[in-house]
Amino acid sequence: QLVLTQSPSVSASLGASVKLTCTLSSGHSRHAIAWHQQQPEKGPRFLMKVNSDGSHSKGDGIPDRFSGSSSGAERYVTISSLQSEDEADYYCQTWGTASYVFGTGTKVTVL
Amino acid sequence: EVQLVESGGELVQPGGSLRLSCAASGFTFRNYWMSWVRQSPGKGLEWVANIKEDGSDNYYVDSVKGRFTISRDNAKNSLFLQMNSLRGEDTAVYYCARDVPLYKADSGSYWGFDSWGQGTLVTVSS
Repeated sequence: QLVLTQSPSVSASLGASVKLTCTLSSGHSRHAIAWHQQQPEKGPRFLMKVNSDGSHSKGDGIPDRFSGSSSGAERYVTISSLQSEDEADYYCQTWGTASYVFGTGTKVTVL
Repeated sequence: EVQLVESGGELVQPGGSLRLSCAASGFTFRNYWMSWVRQSPGKGLEWVANIKEDGSDNYYVDSVKGRFTISRDNAKNSLFLQMNSLRGEDTAVYYCARDVPLYKADSGSYWGFDSWGQGTLVTVSS
């Protein structure tokens, strides 16, 4: 069964860098994923897609401080120079067998 | 600019029915698979259903099979979700989203969402 695992929360100081991880379950390490950001009281927004080889492509208007990468079954989004508006929930997502799967989300707190 | 605007959410009693709508603009609607995704209060995102470009195929999460029906009207650039036999656990904000292929896989593609609406709240309670 395809499962995406994310850490529940992370906190970092304004201007710092943070790397979020999405881990694909066994047997699914080649899946590409999408990252979505959900700011408080807002709908989700597509951030980027990340492939198993580390190639990635961001959505329209996503700032340069967001980047994606991969290693094995892990997919990452790195936020460099953290801003107050980056405080949000971040979800990874992919397509399994006839269904979409979301990770449980990581809450990013900017100190 | 891609825009997705949901409507139709309201308070409904358990066992009742509701029809959600999503008005799409800024892209050629008939060329895309479309999905409904929901988020229960304080919880994460859960995909509900999706529908093929021409409406000829669809998929559902197990918890709504037999109760919810996804449909579309390409002439009116609209997506719908008919929800019957509603339960308390269906209480959520419902989002429509545009499905897109992310990257090629060994067979087919890996799929995801590249656009979202702002959501409409469905509350199931007596």
